[in-house]
Amino acid sequence: QKEVEQNSGPLSVPEGAIASLNCTYSDRGSQSFFWYRQYSGKSPELIMSIYSNGDKEDGRFTAQLNKASQYVSLLIRDSQPSDSATYLCAADTGRRALTFGSGTRLQVQP
Amino acid sequence: DAGVIQSPRHEVTEMGQEVTLRCKPISGHDYLFWYRQTMMRGLELLIYFNNNVPIDDSGMPEDRFSAKMPNASFSTLKIQPSEPRDSAVYFCASSFRGLNTGELFFGEGSRLTVL
Repeated sequence: QKEVEQNSGPLSVPEGAIASLNCTYSDRGSQSFFWYRQYSGKSPELIMSIYSNGDKEDGRFTAQLNKASQYVSLLIRDSQPSDSATYLCAADTGRRALTFGSGTRLQVQP
Repeated sequence: DAGVIQSPRHEVTEMGQEVTLRCKPISGHDYLFWYRQTMMRGLELLIYFNNNVPIDDSGMPEDRFSAKMPNASFSTLKIQPSEPRDSAVYFCASSFRGLNTGELFFGEGSRLTVL
């Protein structure tokens, strides 16, 4: 079992819709969680971090964390074609460096 | 700040040759990470340093891989001898964990192709 798992996609949504990206993790010691966005041919960049159960909103992005279910999600409201990218979920156990999932490719159709 | 700087951006070499990838972290960052990304395996941690000291090299695939950080502003990842299965994008990242735990700043990557 991989430490951080994501559906590879592609997840296709129409412009203006809500995109929902999901991630599960296996290490219950994980304390911090992050979403990175990676455009094709580019490097990952941090877009959201979440440390406690519940929701965290930043503009059109909402990160959700449920530690009991070992589940992290990212919602993107009013999706735009410029949101088309691969979204990487990452977990930090505090014992070593970030562990990344394989990423979910999002396609926003104009 | 110029961000994390990696070189070369692209490297094409033949099997058996030595490959050296270079990284300059963001000034003031005390953590440096080397990751490798492939379609099959995603983004994998190879090794990371704290204050120039290697902390965790458990991700280094085998003895053909080595990494050094002789000072706070420079690190190398060396593959000798290289093999076709080493073909990947190698990312260097740095962070200042006291500022925002988990926020890694990635370089643009070095795309390695081993023929």
